[in-house]
Amino acid sequence: EDQVTQSPEALRLQEGESSSLNCSYTVSGLRGLFWYRQDPGKGPEFLFTLYSAGEEKEKERLKATLTKKESFLHITAPKPEDSATYLCAVQAEKTSGSRLTFGEGTQLTVNP
Amino acid sequence: DTGVSQDPRHKITKRGQNVTFRCDPISEHNRLYWYRQTLGQGPEFLTYFQNEAQLEKSRLLSDRFSAERPKGSFSTLEIQRTEQGDSAMYLCASSLVFNTIYFGEGSWLTVV
Repeated sequence: EDQVTQSPEALRLQEGESSSLNCSYTVSGLRGLFWYRQDPGKGPEFLFTLYSAGEEKEKERLKATLTKKESFLHITAPKPEDSATYLCAVQAEKTSGSRLTFGEGTQLTVNP
Repeated sequence: DTGVSQDPRHKITKRGQNVTFRCDPISEHNRLYWYRQTLGQGPEFLTYFQNEAQLEKSRLLSDRFSAERPKGSFSTLEIQRTEQGDSAMYLCASSLVFNTIYFGEGSWLTVV
């Protein structure tokens, strides 16, 4: 069974204090690993897709990296508007329909 | 591209009543998904359609739940004889085959 574990559950940073979120996964054949951002009361907003170990993607202050067992979401010099829950999900090659298996998320708070 | 649209955004119902949620996917997206999310958890897969065919259902989808996608356009998710355990956010998402899955803003259900 596909599993995704995210750590930490919650993270508090000061504005400008860089850090990383972790996503560990087990899946029999990875088709893709996805990062989403979710604001309170809203649906997940797509950030990145990573397909193979060694791949990196960047968007503004966020950079996602992928290894064979985990992914990291690096946040450089965060701002208060980066406060949200960050969700990691995997898509397995064997599943029909490309369904996603999500972790429980990391709740990020950036204080001014 | 107006995104995935869900209606209603919030629904409060009494236990035992039936409720129906509607989802309008991104136009041209042939895959449509339903997920359920409870507080502090990541979204959990319920079911998906490719065009009008419902191709997979999760074990989470009890016989009180039914989903349809007539003509491969919008979809409805009906919950019959609601229970307090059904209280959650119901998320609709859409994609092209093997492409990024985009989520709507969700429909909150509270069963009292």
